[in-house]
Amino acid sequence: DGGITQSPKYLFRKEGQNVTLSCEQNLNHDAMYWYRQDPGQGLRLIYYSQIVNDFQKGDIAEGYSVSREKKESFPLTVTSAQKNPTAFYLCASSPGLAKGETQYFGPGTRLLVL
Amino acid sequence: AQSVTQLDSQVPVFEEAPVELRCNYSSSVSVYLFWYVQYPNQGLQLLLKYLSGSTLVKGINGFEAEFNKSQTSFHLRKPSVHISDTAEYFCAVSENRGSTLGRLYFGRGTQLTVWP
Repeated sequence: DGGITQSPKYLFRKEGQNVTLSCEQNLNHDAMYWYRQDPGQGLRLIYYSQIVNDFQKGDIAEGYSVSREKKESFPLTVTSAQKNPTAFYLCASSPGLAKGETQYFGPGTRLLVL
Repeated sequence: AQSVTQLDSQVPVFEEAPVELRCNYSSSVSVYLFWYVQYPNQGLQLLLKYLSGSTLVKGINGFEAEFNKSQTSFHLRKPSVHISDTAEYFCAVSENRGSTLGRLYFGRGTQLTVWP
């Protein structure tokens, strides 16, 4: 089955700790994205990557970091600099770079701060 | 920056009633328009999208949307809703600009609740 997997489903972070959210896709898509979802605020773009070894900041990149070493993987690290990390994090991918491409979403990871 | 407005944060309706979820955007250039649905604690699933051609777009689960360029709107409709349509619905816009990445700008979402 082709799709996007995110793990873990729930993640707990202690104060001052970095945590990494996994995102893997087997759709052979070039572009990948990370969004943060807070109640009543819709989805906000954190980082995106058009191709391996390249990524760009989105609207709320502060306190986050990413890497794109493989086409199928785009992990997101929430660093201790992110003071309010509690949210639902969604990873997405799209086939190519053309405008109007559909983005396909993973099931999400809910991050909670202890 | 592109702005997407979903005018209603919550829409309660009874089963088998019609529903319209409203979406307006701010872009002055040509756009591509999307509606996504999110069930609790899940990712987003594409309902339908408008790229070009007929302004009436049909999607999955009996939903349709109409693109109105003069009013910069893309309202979502269903003539008769079912309890299983209870979910959050997101409107999204991608601008047809020079950038090679068609990033999406999302509205804040509309929670549709269908009552028996």
